[in-house]
Amino acid sequence: QVQLVESGGGVVQPGRSLRLSCAASGFTFSSYSMHWVRQAPGKGLEWVAVISYDESNIYYAHSVKGRFTISRDISKNTLYLQMSSLRPEDTAMYYCAREGDYYDSSAYHPSGYFDLWGRGTLVTVSS
Amino acid sequence: DIVMTQSPDSLAVSLGERATINCKSSQSVLYSSNNKNYLAWYQQKPGQPPKLLIYWASTRESGVPDRFSGSGSGTDFTLTISSLQAEDVAAYYCHQYYITPPTFGPGTKVDIK
Repeated sequence: QVQLVESGGGVVQPGRSLRLSCAASGFTFSSYSMHWVRQAPGKGLEWVAVISYDESNIYYAHSVKGRFTISRDISKNTLYLQMSSLRPEDTAMYYCAREGDYYDSSAYHPSGYFDLWGRGTLVTVSS
Repeated sequence: DIVMTQSPDSLAVSLGERATINCKSSQSVLYSSNNKNYLAWYQQKPGQPPKLLIYWASTRESGVPDRFSGSGSGTDFTLTISSLQAEDVAAYYCHQYYITPPTFGPGTKVDIK
């Protein structure tokens, strides 16, 4: 079954750290770029970070750069988000998402859109 | 960063009627070398994660009913639900993936009149 399952969320005090995990199954995890996207309660979607399939490219949203670190473990088919110096405004549902690919000129290319999402894990930053 | 806007913020449509959602990007998301618009649409029902409906502005994802269609190019895009069904009650988001950071529109809530 093709799926993503996030875990690691919870209630944490401002300034503390938390690590989120996203377990992938049913597809070749090492072939896809992976993203974290968050959604504050009652709000819209905000992209957080991306790691390319080969880990050669990593990018962050301005709002989390220097505080969050995205990584992946191919042997465990797992994506991570290490969050430090957490702020109340980081309170959100955190989703991992797979970046789809497309076939062109005899090769697959990363597309940029998100074709598979997990159900999310809730992070609440509060004292 | 590319700023995405959507209109309306919300709309209520009778069952079987057409629903139209507009999305505008602050700069073109059309890549001239491949003539693809780097624009996607997602549906998010309450308590659920987003679901991909449309990519490349007009390509329907596998399994998405054909009452959903996407159109537009450059900076102006539209998602149309040709005949609204009860199960289409949701928030809809457009998303540009032309440049990093990828950005989303603020969302449009669709409800039954």
